[in-house]
Amino acid sequence: ETGVTQSPTHLIKTRGQQVTLRCSSQSGHNTVSWYQQALGQGPQFIFQYYREEENGRGNFPPRFSGLQFPNYSSELNVNALELDDSALYLCASSPPGDEKLFFGSGTQLSVL
Amino acid sequence: QKEVEQDPGPLSVPEGAIVSLNCTYSNSAFQYFMWYRQYSRKGPELLMYTYSSGNKEDGRFTAQVDKSSKYISLFIRDSQPSDSATYLCAPRNNAGNMLTFGGGTRLMVKP
Repeated sequence: ETGVTQSPTHLIKTRGQQVTLRCSSQSGHNTVSWYQQALGQGPQFIFQYYREEENGRGNFPPRFSGLQFPNYSSELNVNALELDDSALYLCASSPPGDEKLFFGSGTQLSVL
Repeated sequence: QKEVEQDPGPLSVPEGAIVSLNCTYSNSAFQYFMWYRQYSRKGPELLMYTYSSGNKEDGRFTAQVDKSSKYISLFIRDSQPSDSATYLCAPRNNAGNMLTFGGGTRLMVKP
């Protein structure tokens, strides 16, 4: 059984650009969540997707958007990148009816 | 004030020591309490999961929740150098899977 996989592992962008991060959820998991983790901080909830619909959102502006596909994989899109968007972006999946979240290794985004 | 507070450390202990890691929280609606371990440049790994107040033991690890004082603890017995990592507490309420993470405590176990 494969775990949560994320791509790319590292990414460098410049301010104002747009970025798309990808996540494949663990087999059998139908809920996907995205978190942002700044250096030295705990992860912060961005949003969650269930059955291809956004099912909860944290305190992030609309330029952070996402998608979930029928195979439960997901994308996180960030428009108009700012320097403060530099962080580790984590994807987590959950099996049906289970409270536990299982995380991928993340995408390290650097905005210059 | 943050919803979940952790001492950032670093906490340095000798191999074999008993380690106590703690969190406080302010939201009374939190019902589920999780501890994650995060190695450098990796995603968080679920270590312990507890519902409501009480203790839960798994091998060398014991999680303790006291909802009356809004205090969460993780104890590690016979600590090993491989336990060196950042430990994150993450409570949540009944609605959805949104976890509210503390800032993490960095633990170093020296051989």
